[in-house]
Amino acid sequence: QLQLQESGPGLMKPSETLSLTCTVSGGSISSSSYFWVWIRQPPGKGLEWIGSIYHSGSTYYNPSLKSRVTISVDTSKNQFSLKLSSVTAPDTAVYYCARHMDDVLIGYYIDSWGQGTLVTVSS
Amino acid sequence: DIQMTQSPSSLSASVGDRVTITCRASQSIRTYLNWYQQKPGKAPNLLIYAASSLQSGVPPRFSGSGSGTDFTLTISSLQPEDFATYYCQQTYSSPQLTFGGGTKVDIK
Repeated sequence: QLQLQESGPGLMKPSETLSLTCTVSGGSISSSSYFWVWIRQPPGKGLEWIGSIYHSGSTYYNPSLKSRVTISVDTSKNQFSLKLSSVTAPDTAVYYCARHMDDVLIGYYIDSWGQGTLVTVSS
Repeated sequence: DIQMTQSPSSLSASVGDRVTITCRASQSIRTYLNWYQQKPGKAPNLLIYAASSLQSGVPPRFSGSGSGTDFTLTISSLQPEDFATYYCQQTYSSPQLTFGGGTKVDIK
């Protein structure tokens, strides 16, 4: 059973850099049938895709966040990470990591999610 | 960028009602459309993929249809455990993803 677990600080001050790590267990992050994503959800609001990364390290970012986002992968640790710079109050959200199926025969969808971690930006 | 618009943003319904939620894409996405259900405090859960394929373990009262720009999620007979928020997601431009704004289904 695949499990994803987000880790990182829950409280940040404006202008700081948010750093979160997603640890994958029960499966390999190097599988070619998937890519890995970060998604966030502000309190009471909808889901926002932040970015995606393949095990090769290829990345794709939401244009609205691209200037502040870096996603990386560490296959030796079965982890991928998110950095979001210059955070402000609107970056307050539950941050989810997830696995996205990427297979022409099986389909294209998110099949596993982390439990999510609330990050609050406040002075 | 592909934009996804869901309607309505919320609805009230009773147990046993037939419920329909729509999702419109800003351009054709063929059938690259998924539906998720999210309950409070939980991560979303996949219901439908490729517009109309039922994910394993999901009750058959859920169904999806559509192609191109217009899609529908239907719950044929609403059950108490179905009160939740529903999101569509396009994967036409995968790995660049977009979600709809969500539809909250609550008890009338």
